[in-house]
Amino acid sequence: ETGVTQTPRHLVMGMTNKKSLKCEQHLGHNAMYWYKQSAKKPLELMFVYNFKEQTENNSVPSRFSPECPNSSHLFLHLHTLQPEDSALYLCASSQDVEQFFGPGTRLTVL
Amino acid sequence: ELKVEQNPLFLSMQEGKNYTIYCNYSTTSDRLYWYRQDPGKSLESLFVLLSNGAVKQEGRLMASLDTKARLSTLHITAAVHDLSATYFCAVDESFSGTYKYIFGTGTRLKVLA
Repeated sequence: ETGVTQTPRHLVMGMTNKKSLKCEQHLGHNAMYWYKQSAKKPLELMFVYNFKEQTENNSVPSRFSPECPNSSHLFLHLHTLQPEDSALYLCASSQDVEQFFGPGTRLTVL
Repeated sequence: ELKVEQNPLFLSMQEGKNYTIYCNYSTTSDRLYWYRQDPGKSLESLFVLLSNGAVKQEGRLMASLDTKARLSTLHITAAVHDLSATYFCAVDESFSGTYKYIFGTGTRLKVLA
C-alpha cells in the first residue's frame, strides 16, 4: 500500500454505538491530521498530531477521541454521536508543507 | 481568526472558455495550496505556492499567489469536461512544526460540453 489509507470507507452507526476510524500513512511523514467535511461547510481541521503528540484540538466535542500510537497510524474513536456528525472524515499526513489526504470515511449517524 | 473566501462558489462554463477562480484570505501568510476534489473522492493536490509572486502551471490550470493582496488565483484555460470538480484553496498557519490548513468554501466547477 502506498500513500494514505483509511478504513472503513463507509460506516453507518447508531447514536449509542462505539466505533473507530483508522488511518495509516506509508509516506514516512511525521504529522497526521483529522478533518471533517460536511455538506454545507468548508473542511474543518479537527486534530493535529506531530511525532505522536497532539498539537491541536480544534474545539472538537469529546465524543470524538483521537489516538496516535505512532507516526504512521491515527485513529478516531467515536461514541454517542449525533446525526449532525454525519460527514466525510478525511485523514492527512505531512512531512513538510504539503499535506496528502486519504480517501476518507463516509460516516452516517442514524 | 484566519478566514479564507473563494469565489465564485459555483461556476458553469462552456468547453473551450477561460475563467478564473479567486481565493482571498484575511491574515498574512506566504503559503497557499490548491486542491481538487471529485464527487465522493478525496482531495488531490494541484499546486503548492510558497512565496509572493509564485506562479505554477499544470496543463490547463495555472495558479498564482500575491501575498501582499492576500489573493491567489486559479486560472482555467480552454476548459474541458474533465476539469469538472470542486476546487479548494487552503492557507496554512504554521505552528509547532506542523501546518494548520484553513480551507476555503470551495468552487464547484461544471464544464459543459
